[in-house]
Amino acid sequence: GAGVSQSPSNKVTEKGKDVELRCDPISGHTALYWYRQSLGQGLEFLIYFQGNSAPDKSGLPSDRFSAERTGGSVSTLTIQRTQQEDSAVYLCASSLTSYEQYFGPGTRLTVT
Amino acid sequence: RKEVEQDPGPFNVPEGATVAFNCTYSNSASQSFFWYRQDCRKEPKLLMSVYSSGNEDGRFTAQLNRASQYISLLIRDSKLSDSATYLCVVNNANAGNMLTFGGGTRLMVKP
Repeated sequence: GAGVSQSPSNKVTEKGKDVELRCDPISGHTALYWYRQSLGQGLEFLIYFQGNSAPDKSGLPSDRFSAERTGGSVSTLTIQRTQQEDSAVYLCASSLTSYEQYFGPGTRLTVT
Repeated sequence: RKEVEQDPGPFNVPEGATVAFNCTYSNSASQSFFWYRQDCRKEPKLLMSVYSSGNEDGRFTAQLNRASQYISLLIRDSKLSDSATYLCVVNNANAGNMLTFGGGTRLMVKP
């Protein structure tokens, strides 16, 4: 069946511009997560959605970062006024209650 | 102290070797444990869950030591295709389905 999909796969943007990254989770998965991974580094948790509950935003690095999940399905991560240190791979994952997370292929963001 | 700590490696081993990775976690209330595998420039994928009694999946054996709060992964008869980064993953007992990822241990299997 269809896995987690993310778009775009690559995004190059100029410093100061806003970007939107999209995640389509596996159908029926109630939980959705955003992470970022810098080159050669581990996963950094950003935000977590569970059903209709308020999202856990504890990992967002600054108020330039925000995320929405519409209708309990698709999610959009928005980065405003991008900075060079925002360059990373942004990974989305979804899960049911079994704790196993299924990851999308990621969006590689480069801020020039 | 990080919640989940791993030796980043790299571990360089010849084909056929046995290699073991350890991981320590800080939250004694954690209940679920996993090993994920991440290939270069790819997304992480679940390798195996780790059960209290230990579990085996082919050449891979996972062990959990709750008293010492560490998890291990043993790979026997290493293959070139085992080359990857292995992520130790622990659930956050205070936050439902949240998982905390270790920084990963890089394995390189050489011919």
